[in-house]
Amino acid sequence: DAMVIQNPRYQVTQFGKPVTLSCSQTLNHNVMYWYQQKSSQAPKLLFHYYDKDFNNEADTPDNFQSRRPNTSFCFLDIRSPGLGDAAMYLCATSSPGGSDEQFFGPGTRLTVL
Amino acid sequence: QQQVKQSPQSLIVQKGGISIINCAYENTAFDYFPWYQQFPGKGPALLIAIRPDVSEKKEGRFTISFNKSAKQFSLHIMDSQPGDSATYFCAASAAYGGSQGNLIFGKGTKLSVKP
Repeated sequence: DAMVIQNPRYQVTQFGKPVTLSCSQTLNHNVMYWYQQKSSQAPKLLFHYYDKDFNNEADTPDNFQSRRPNTSFCFLDIRSPGLGDAAMYLCATSSPGGSDEQFFGPGTRLTVL
Repeated sequence: QQQVKQSPQSLIVQKGGISIINCAYENTAFDYFPWYQQFPGKGPALLIAIRPDVSEKKEGRFTISFNKSAKQFSLHIMDSQPGDSATYFCAASAAYGGSQGNLIFGKGTKLSVKP
């Protein structure tokens, strides 16, 4: 089945230790999104790629970076995680000109010790 | 103007009852209004969506009512079941403009359906 896959599902890191989360998709969608979702809150868009064009939200901290080496993969790099970065990180994809639906992955739960 | 306001924050309904969640928006450029369902530990999944050219859309037990003049839309869950217990997010996006396609989420409603 076509889908959005996130690895790992759970990630534990130490304060200040860089961490990378990965997302892959088999939907061949042009757009990939990264969201941060804290407990009992709505997903908050960090950035998105339209093909290789990177779009950063104005309030996304510099601590968060992203890479998209090809259509299928997208990575979220957190350079120096703080305790406040503990959250669920969601990857999503969409295909402009299609149904506008965003397809979400299962998320990666990040714990910062 | 980019906000989507959602209410209530939490909702308890008896099995078989009707669950109603409301959302309001300001940006008249929004032209796509989805509802997402999220179970604990899972990513959101699209439940049902509507565009401004219709006032209602029904899929099974789930109905979106849309009032363009009032800039409001709502989700109705008929015959609510315990398996519907989840967090529901309304959202909106615009086809054009600087944030093309980006979803603006409401804050979510935690629904509990009691047996």
